[in-house]
Amino acid sequence: DVKVTQSSRYLVKRTGEKVFLECVQDMDHENMFWYRQDPGLGLRLIYFSYDVKMKEKGDIPEGYSVSREKKERFSLILESASTNQTSMYLCASSLWESSGANVLTFGAGSRLTVL
Amino acid sequence: QKEVEQNSGPLSVPEGAIASLNCTYSDRVSQSFFWYRQYSGKSPELIMSIYSNGDKEDGRFTAQLNKASQYVSLLIRDSQPSDSATYLCAVDSGTYKYIFGTGTRLKVLA
Repeated sequence: DVKVTQSSRYLVKRTGEKVFLECVQDMDHENMFWYRQDPGLGLRLIYFSYDVKMKEKGDIPEGYSVSREKKERFSLILESASTNQTSMYLCASSLWESSGANVLTFGAGSRLTVL
Repeated sequence: QKEVEQNSGPLSVPEGAIASLNCTYSDRVSQSFFWYRQYSGKSPELIMSIYSNGDKEDGRFTAQLNKASQYVSLLIRDSQPSDSATYLCAVDSGTYKYIFGTGTRLKVLA
């Protein structure tokens, strides 16, 4: 089974701090994603990457950046955390299947609270 | 704006009954459809995928797709209290950008 590991399960940070969320997958998947999930809003895509050093903006990239220096690792960076970035952050990876489908596997999530 | 709509629930069904979860989507070019189950405080896990019109069965779960009506559903037979969770419908148009519904909360009453 694919394993997607997020380094921190719970974080509490202060406004203005720089925050790093790390994600590692162990199945050589090409694609990696960062979502945030908020009540009533569902999952929203922040950034994704389809190859090493490649990154694409999702639907809500403002206030975030990402880094993918190695295939297995995709990091989400909050340069200056704000209270409206308090959320559950979900990392996912995927592989294009022979069916043409792109099936996501999620990590356990990182719940970030910004005070 | 591409959308995926789900009734937020809660949908309450007695143990042993069939739970029926529904989802509509707006993008006609959508190609792949998924159902994820999410327990409270946990991350989503894939339970069903469907790519062509008709039914797809896997154990107690059946996914149904009707592309003409832009409608996808999930049936859970012999519902168990352990099925109580939020079920997310997700649609992929062949790009990297899934569109997720906000989920239907299912409660199976013992």
